[in-house]
Amino acid sequence: EVQLVESGGGLVKPGGSLRLSCAASGFTFSSYSMNWVRQAPGKGLEWVSSISSSSSYIYYADSVKGRFTISRDNAKNSLYLQMNSLRAEDTAVYYCARIAMASSSSWYDYWGQGTLVTVSS
Amino acid sequence: SYVLTQPPSVSVAPGKTARITCGGNNIGSKSVHWYQQKPGQAPVLVIYYDSDRPSGIPERFSGSNSGNTATLTISRVEAGDEADYYCQVWDSSSDHGVFGGGTKLTVL
Repeated sequence: EVQLVESGGGLVKPGGSLRLSCAASGFTFSSYSMNWVRQAPGKGLEWVSSISSSSSYIYYADSVKGRFTISRDNAKNSLYLQMNSLRAEDTAVYYCARIAMASSSSWYDYWGQGTLVTVSS
Repeated sequence: SYVLTQPPSVSVAPGKTARITCGGNNIGSKSVHWYQQKPGQAPVLVIYYDSDRPSGIPERFSGSNSGNTATLTISRVEAGDEADYYCQVWDSSSDHGVFGGGTKLTVL
């Protein structure tokens, strides 16, 4: 059974840092690209960052570029998101999501349960 | 970047058919995927490649895509279908999903 379990969320002051983790199991983690997607309270889904299976390709939304860093450790079946210089607008539930392997398009076939990040003084 | 437009809300009586639209410029040339999200839960894929259903998704859920509009259709709506629904296309240039704003389905 595919499982994605996020951790590391919490309350942090503006300007602070937080590191999110996503533990993967039930599939060959090293074969899949992964994304972080967030959802602010009462709002829709927003892509945050992407990383390819071997970490060769990494992308960020403009809203987090220069502040967030995505990484992965395939030996540990884990995905990470280092978040620095946090702002109030970063407050959201952060999901890790697996990208389905497809030819002409892609989608998210599995999601974690999410971890809440609250940025407030 | 590509913009997907969904109505904020759709209401339907139990047993009737709900149609949730997703508009985009020539969206018919893209593959559209749909997610259901219930309060406090992670999104769940309900339709991929415009009209395919993952295993475990009832046949009541179907999709179509043509021209500038993709549509998620839920037949014989049940109270348990009440949720937010998001459409999504893929941005291959930076390997990520582009989401519509979401539609809240209310079962009357």
